[in-house]
Amino acid sequence: GAVVSQHPSWVICKSGTSVKIECRSLDFQATTMFWYRQFPKQSLMLMATSNEGSKATYEQGVEKDKFLINHASLTLSTLTVTSAHPEDSSFYICSASPGLAIGEQFFGPGTRLTVL
Amino acid sequence: DQQVKQNSPSLSVQEGRISILNCDYTNSMFDYFLWYKKYPAEGPTFLISISSIKDKNEDGRFTVFLNKSAKHLSLHIVPSQPGDSAVYFCAARGGGNKLTFGTGTQLKVEL
Repeated sequence: GAVVSQHPSWVICKSGTSVKIECRSLDFQATTMFWYRQFPKQSLMLMATSNEGSKATYEQGVEKDKFLINHASLTLSTLTVTSAHPEDSSFYICSASPGLAIGEQFFGPGTRLTVL
Repeated sequence: DQQVKQNSPSLSVQEGRISILNCDYTNSMFDYFLWYKKYPAEGPTFLISISSIKDKNEDGRFTVFLNKSAKHLSLHIVPSQPGDSAVYFCAARGGGNKLTFGTGTQLKVEL
């Protein structure tokens, strides 16, 4: 149990286009989903926290107009990178949590975004 | 400002020996600490956690120690196995169930 999927697993796009990444909890309902990005050899950096049916809470320094997050249901959250540029190339990982119990934050496999 | 630090980017250990991974933090408000294991191109998987009110938690081959006064925690793996080779992240939980991750330590267990 506790499987989280992400789609696509990798994507290459041209500069200036938008890319949507989906995060799904397959066998549980996620009241909260988190979006992270990871640069090579660096830590996972939390970008935003989203609760189903409400606006996402963005971490300091993350542009909410550039990284649009939608958490429309208890099993799906999407991250849209708008007007992507090469500096947005990174590994994006989502996690889903059914509650507040420790350890109950299950991660997806990640999406590798490359912007040309 | 890196609130959670893993100062060793890599560690190499022989199979059967003990692996010790270290982590330091600066924020005294963290209430839980977790260790995650990550393979390339995959998301982290939860290994073990410890509450800030405890100093040790054990689960099979994995033991986490917390020294709150030193703001230091460590993960012990014994005996180490080749399948343990991965990147290990420590993470600390703050408000709203948010996790702050360290930079990771690449563990390599050699035959």
